[in-house]
Amino acid sequence: SQQGEEDPQALSIQEGENATMNCSYKTSINNLQWYRQNSGRGLVHLILIRSNEREKHSGRLRVTLDTSKKSSSLLITASRAADTASYFCAAPSGGGYNKLIFGAGTRLAVHP
Amino acid sequence: GAGVSQSPSNKVTEKGKDVELRCDPISGHTALYWYRQRLGQGLEFLIYFQGNSAPDKSGLPSDRFSAERTGESVSTLTIQRTQQEDSAVYLCASSTQSTTGANVLTFGAGSRLTVL
Repeated sequence: SQQGEEDPQALSIQEGENATMNCSYKTSINNLQWYRQNSGRGLVHLILIRSNEREKHSGRLRVTLDTSKKSSSLLITASRAADTASYFCAAPSGGGYNKLIFGAGTRLAVHP
Repeated sequence: GAGVSQSPSNKVTEKGKDVELRCDPISGHTALYWYRQRLGQGLEFLIYFQGNSAPDKSGLPSDRFSAERTGESVSTLTIQRTQQEDSAVYLCASSTQSTTGANVLTFGAGSRLTVL
């Protein structure tokens, strides 16, 4: 079963626009992470937000976390063609919060 | 090594054959994960190893799937009597065991399995 579920499934925007992706999860967590995947191979960690944080920034990335709604969002500002990729949220599951469960992902296409 | 290494990168096999996929984690990473990703889909958790603790096998889809890891080193994922629905990219990731309960994963490039 999935702990994190993203929406939209796909997003198509023009360069310079902002892209927002949302993630919902089911059980209590102590952190939530976002990863990026190019070309269907290995994923790269982008950012981690802890359950006692509401917002976190890293470069052009902004992540929010609302534990009351069990949801998170990833905002990419001033998008570039190189941001084209799939983006996944991952939330821990099980005792010890060590098992990371990934959502189905959002496929982002940024057009020049 | 500098990163997580997986082999083979591509494997084509016939239905009914057994396959072994290998993952060499980052040195010092005590946690190791296997995920399966079908074409256009998300990551499906398979199994998680943490040090010498009993692995969490809750994601293995059937008894045809098994995985082993010796200590904190190489892991092997074995699929017996492969079926066409086993075709996917198998991703391995490793991490340190965070003291704050937040494991950040480093992924390998994956092994693409095609069952004919």
